[in-house]
Amino acid sequence: EVQLLESGGGLVQPGGSLRLSCAASGFTFGSYAMNWVRQAPGKGLQWVSGISGSGSSTYYADSVKGRFTISRDNSKNTLYLQMNSLRAEDTAVYYCGKDLDIPYYENLIGYGPPRTWGQGTLVTVSS
Amino acid sequence: DIVMTQSPDSLALSLGERATIHCKSSQSVLYRSNNKNYLTWYQQKPGQPPKLLIYWASTRESGVPDRFSGSGSGTDFTLTISSLQAEDVAVYYCQQYYSTPVTFGQGTKVEIE
Repeated sequence: EVQLLESGGGLVQPGGSLRLSCAASGFTFGSYAMNWVRQAPGKGLQWVSGISGSGSSTYYADSVKGRFTISRDNSKNTLYLQMNSLRAEDTAVYYCGKDLDIPYYENLIGYGPPRTWGQGTLVTVSS
Repeated sequence: DIVMTQSPDSLALSLGERATIHCKSSQSVLYRSNNKNYLTWYQQKPGQPPKLLIYWASTRESGVPDRFSGSGSGTDFTLTISSLQAEDVAVYYCQQYYSTPVTFGQGTKVEIE
């Protein structure tokens, strides 16, 4: 069974940093692209970042580019999101997601939509 | 970015009724080389993460009840729940994965009246 467990959320002041982790199990981690998607309180879903299975390719939403860094350690089956220069508008539940397995010849963007999601971790940016 | 617009924002129906949710993209998400629409539908129940229901606009995810179906092509898509059940109360989102960044619709809340 595929399982994704996020951790690392919490309360941080504006301008601060936080690193989220997503521990994966139940599948061959390094074979799948992964995503981070967030949801502000009472709001809809917003894709944040994606990374290829090898980690060689990364993708970001414009709203976090230059502030957030996605990475992965395939030896530890773990996905990360380093968040710097945090703003109040970054307050959200952050979900990690395992990609839908799209064949490479049909994948137009290097990553895909999440098939399986973790339970999420809450990040609150406030003074 | 491709803008995804869902309608209605919410709907309330009786048990057993048909629910229809529309999703319109600001540009086509149909890739003509493989004739596939790069669109998913998710269900999110209160306090839970989203759950994948439909991908390629009309392929039902394993384990999803067959009362859920997706249709449409190009820029106009529909999620249909043929006979609404109590456990279907949720917010439903469409998402395109044709171009980066992937983008979601604003969500449609489905309730029982």
